[in-house]
Amino acid sequence: QVQLVESGGGLVKPGGSLRLSCAASGFTFSDYYMSWIRQAPGKGLEWVSYISGSGSTFYYAESVKGRFTISRDNAKNSLYLQMNSLRAEDTAVYYCARISYNWNYWYFDLWGRGTLVTVSS
Amino acid sequence: EIVLTQSPGTLSLSPGERATLSCRASQIISSSYLVWYQQKPGQAPRLLMYGASSRATGIPDRFSGSGSGTDFTLTISRLEPEDFAVYYCQQYHRSPLFGGGTKVEIK
Repeated sequence: QVQLVESGGGLVKPGGSLRLSCAASGFTFSDYYMSWIRQAPGKGLEWVSYISGSGSTFYYAESVKGRFTISRDNAKNSLYLQMNSLRAEDTAVYYCARISYNWNYWYFDLWGRGTLVTVSS
Repeated sequence: EIVLTQSPGTLSLSPGERATLSCRASQIISSSYLVWYQQKPGQAPRLLMYGASSRATGIPDRFSGSGSGTDFTLTISRLEPEDFAVYYCQQYHRSPLFGGGTKVEIK
């Protein structure tokens, strides 16, 4: 079954750290760029970061640059997001998503159900 | 930096009616990289349209997309009960960016 399952969310204090994981199944994980996208409660979608299939290339939104680190383990079919120096405004549901692209299109075609991160004292 | 503005913020319609959702970019973008998603409460977004006008796998043909340059439109020809949801446009230009969303609610 083609799916993405996130885990690792929870309650953390401001300034704390958390590591999210995303387990992929049903497709050749290493063939795809992968991404994290978040959604604050009652708000819209915000792209956070994405990483190439090999893990050698990665990009971050300005709002998380220097605090978050994306990585992947293709042997384990897993994507990760290490979140440090967390702030209240990082509170959101974090989605793992697969990217499909070529010269003619670019989109998120498979999404996990998300994991909730709450940053509060 | 490109900004995507979706309008209206909320669209109140009845089942069977036609829905027209707008996504406007602050500068010209490639239609190849304009995407639409549907999100229902408590669920992850679902890919609807890519390349501005290509339906994703399994998306019914009552959904259609159009546009170019800075103005893009998602049209639902006849609303079904399951179509009431929030719709987001997204573009890719150096990095992905989402619009603020349009909620289609039952009138």
